[in-house]
Amino acid sequence: NAGVTQTPKFRILKIGQSMTLQCTQDMNHNYMYWYRQDPGMGLKLIYYSVGAGITDKGEVPNGYNVSRSTTEDFPLRLELAAPSQTSVYFCASRPGTGNSYNEQFFGPGTRLTVL
Amino acid sequence: ELKVEQNPLFLSMQEGKNYTIYCNYSTTSDRLYWYRQDPGKSLESLFVLLSNGAVKQEGRLMASLDTKARLSTLHITAAVHDLSATYFCAVDGWETSGSRLTFGEGTQLTVNP
Repeated sequence: NAGVTQTPKFRILKIGQSMTLQCTQDMNHNYMYWYRQDPGMGLKLIYYSVGAGITDKGEVPNGYNVSRSTTEDFPLRLELAAPSQTSVYFCASRPGTGNSYNEQFFGPGTRLTVL
Repeated sequence: ELKVEQNPLFLSMQEGKNYTIYCNYSTTSDRLYWYRQDPGKSLESLFVLLSNGAVKQEGRLMASLDTKARLSTLHITAAVHDLSATYFCAVDGWETSGSRLTFGEGTQLTVNP
């Protein structure tokens, strides 16, 4: 299993540009999450999904959009990039209810800089 | 709203010494996770604690959970430089739209020779 994969690894955007961060998991997990981590800080939840077709906002959803059309994929869309969105973005997945461990696994991250 | 507090946030210790990182949380939960993050890397799962009194050990790290006190500890025994990293605890909370983890701010550990 590849686990949770993210692309791209690095990206530089200009203010106002748009992009999609890709996230795929091959563990058949129901729950998927997007976090951002600013330098020296903890994780902030952007959006999450408990299954295909179901998404919900986290702590910091403004400026982002998500969709979940399949169990495997959970892309994050930035519509009008701003310098405040400069951060490292982590995707994560976990099995969901019914699994006793329900352990959460993280992707390698996407480092985004907006200039 | 579930809140998770770690202390200390920064910890500098000498090799060979022992120390404990604390993780307090604000509402009832019996599922707690510890993660390690090396600089520039992603988060790696260390321990999964699923019930009151749970204790897990791996090498020089031992984690425990007291659900009544809403407290988990990560104890470091005879620290070595390789343990230098940031450690996060995360508590499982239930929202109407599904469960999600709430993370502490992280404890940045530096082990000096």
